[in-house]
Amino acid sequence: EVQLVESGGGLVRPGGSLRLSCAASGFTFNDYWMSWARQTPGKGLEWVATIKHDGSEKYYVDSVEGRFTISRDNAKNSLYLQMNCLRDEDTAVYYCARLTKHDSDYWGLGTLITVSS
Amino acid sequence: DIVMTQSPLSLPVTLGQPASISCRSSQSLVHSDGNTYLTWFQQRPGQSPRRLIHTISNRDSGVPDRFSGSGSGTDFTLKISRVEAEDVGVYYCVQGTHWPWTFGQGTKVEIK
Repeated sequence: EVQLVESGGGLVRPGGSLRLSCAASGFTFNDYWMSWARQTPGKGLEWVATIKHDGSEKYYVDSVEGRFTISRDNAKNSLYLQMNCLRDEDTAVYYCARLTKHDSDYWGLGTLITVSS
Repeated sequence: DIVMTQSPLSLPVTLGQPASISCRSSQSLVHSDGNTYLTWFQQRPGQSPRRLIHTISNRDSGVPDRFSGSGSGTDFTLKISRVEAEDVGVYYCVQGTHWPWTFGQGTKVEIK
């Protein structure tokens, strides 16, 4: 059974940093591209960052480019999102998602990030 | 970016009755490989999104056959033939043809 379990969420002040982790199990992790997506009541669902199965390619939504870094450790079956210079508008539930070639077939339960002073 | 527009945004339905959700894209979703990457997700209250249908009309394993997807080009539809209580939630279309992939706003299905 495919499982994706996020951790690392919490309350952080504007300008602060946070690192999210996603522990994957139930599939061959290094065969898949992976993504982080986020969901807010106001903006809905949004893909944040995507990484190729071997880590050689990374893509970001414009609003996080230069502030967030996606990475993975295939030996540990883990996906990460380093978030720096956090803003109020980064407040959201962040999901780890497994990708197929053109969509996502499994999502984690999500972790809440609240950016507030 | 491709804009995905869903309608209606709220859909009250009587149990056992059909429901239909429309999703329109601002550009054609036909990929250069000939496929059309339009996916439907269901998000039940308090849960993460679950893929129901991919490439317009292909149901995922375990998805009841009362769910069906159709459409082409820029216009797509998700239909529930007979709504059951467990179908309550928000339904999203998402396109995977053009990067960045983009979601519709979501349609909230509730029981009357």
